[in-house]
Amino acid sequence: GALVYQYPRRTICKSGTSMRMECQAVGFQATSVAWYRQSPQKTFELIALSTVNSAIKYEQNFTQEKFPISHPNLSFSSMTVLNAYLEDRGLYLCGARRAPNSDYTFGSGTRLLVI
Amino acid sequence: GQQVQQSPASLVLQEGENAELQCNFSSTATQLQWFYQSPGGSLVSLLSNPSGTKHTGRLTSTTVTKERRSSLHISSSQTTDSGTYLCAIDRGAGNKLTFGIGTRVLVRP
Repeated sequence: GALVYQYPRRTICKSGTSMRMECQAVGFQATSVAWYRQSPQKTFELIALSTVNSAIKYEQNFTQEKFPISHPNLSFSSMTVLNAYLEDRGLYLCGARRAPNSDYTFGSGTRLLVI
Repeated sequence: GQQVQQSPASLVLQEGENAELQCNFSSTATQLQWFYQSPGGSLVSLLSNPSGTKHTGRLTSTTVTKERRSSLHISSSQTTDSGTYLCAIDRGAGNKLTFGIGTRVLVRP
């Protein structure tokens, strides 16, 4: 079956520091990887979508300078939260799909706490 | 406005009761997925149902594409069904999922 492993599961970082999270697709080739953030009491906000052979597309309010993403092959993606502050806390989820209109499979999320 | 609206916002059930969750969306959807988010945060895909009716276990989803709505029926609820149920659509342009805010379900023993 299709699985997505995401790590770390939770992390605490000091305000102003950076942290990196990783996402591994197992059992399928992830042609698209989407990174989402779920802030406290909010629904999922799309940060960026990375599709093979296309530039990574960031949503409004999110930038590459703040959330650089790497998608070097069809099984791995990583995202860094640079200079994390209180407003960056929340649950970060990566979702991967093998083809347009196929189902997304999500990782278990990385919960970020900023102190 | 919000592209994916879910109702009710929350629901309390007695174990064994049935429940129906609603999802309305404001634009054409080429794909629609129902997800379950556990209290710990993990997201699990329950059903993919862009149109028609689909069943899996105690779950039934019915999507009426023309009316831009989908429902998720939970039958014979169990305490382990407690969590948040999310509806998400893919409008086909940009290849991304847009989520609703979810319905929080609590099933009491």
